[in-house]
Amino acid sequence: KAGVTQTPRYLIKTRGQQVTLSCSPISGHRSVSWYQQTPGQGLQFLFEYFSETQRNKGNFPGRFSGRQFSNSRSEMNVSTLELGDSALYLCASSWRGSEGSYEQYFGPGTRLTVT
Amino acid sequence: AQKITQTQPGMFVQEKEAVTLDCTYDTSDPSYGLFWYKQPSSGEMIFLIYQGSYDQQNATEGRYSLNFQKARKSANLVISASQLGDSAMYFCAMRGDSNYQLIWGAGTKLIIKP
Repeated sequence: KAGVTQTPRYLIKTRGQQVTLSCSPISGHRSVSWYQQTPGQGLQFLFEYFSETQRNKGNFPGRFSGRQFSNSRSEMNVSTLELGDSALYLCASSWRGSEGSYEQYFGPGTRLTVT
Repeated sequence: AQKITQTQPGMFVQEKEAVTLDCTYDTSDPSYGLFWYKQPSSGEMIFLIYQGSYDQQNATEGRYSLNFQKARKSANLVISASQLGDSAMYFCAMRGDSNYQLIWGAGTKLIIKP
């Protein structure tokens, strides 16, 4: 089974620009979560989508948004980029069963650098 | 509020020795799950092991085992017979029933010495 894929792997953008990151989950997985990882703040939850609906949202400004398509692929958008948005953005998918373990499987991440 | 604490920023361990990575947690949810992930320098987060709060036995996955002490709210990861390839960042995470997002610890950088 193919793993979680994220594109692009690396991105360099300028302050004020916007960026769109893409994530394709493992086949059959309906939940996609996004995380931001920085040396200073560690791993922080951005949002989670399940069946095209945002179910959970972390404490990030409205510049961060996302969506999920009917095939479970998800995109994350950051508008008006700031230097502090430089980070590794990780996408994770899970089956999201109703009980028990539903471990999240992560993609390789997109490393975003804002200059 | 939920919280994960990993008190060891870094550890050096001799190859083939066992290593214990500490994780304590705090939650008011009666039901929760605890996860350990490994992050090599490449950046990808690799799932290692899961422990449910109602599981009677400690979870094991190959060389990985989770020492779950519910009363002490600790979920330490034990790696037996460490290998050079185990060098990585290790993260403890928790998911509670009140929300489904993973709450992460700060991580422990493990370096295995030959």
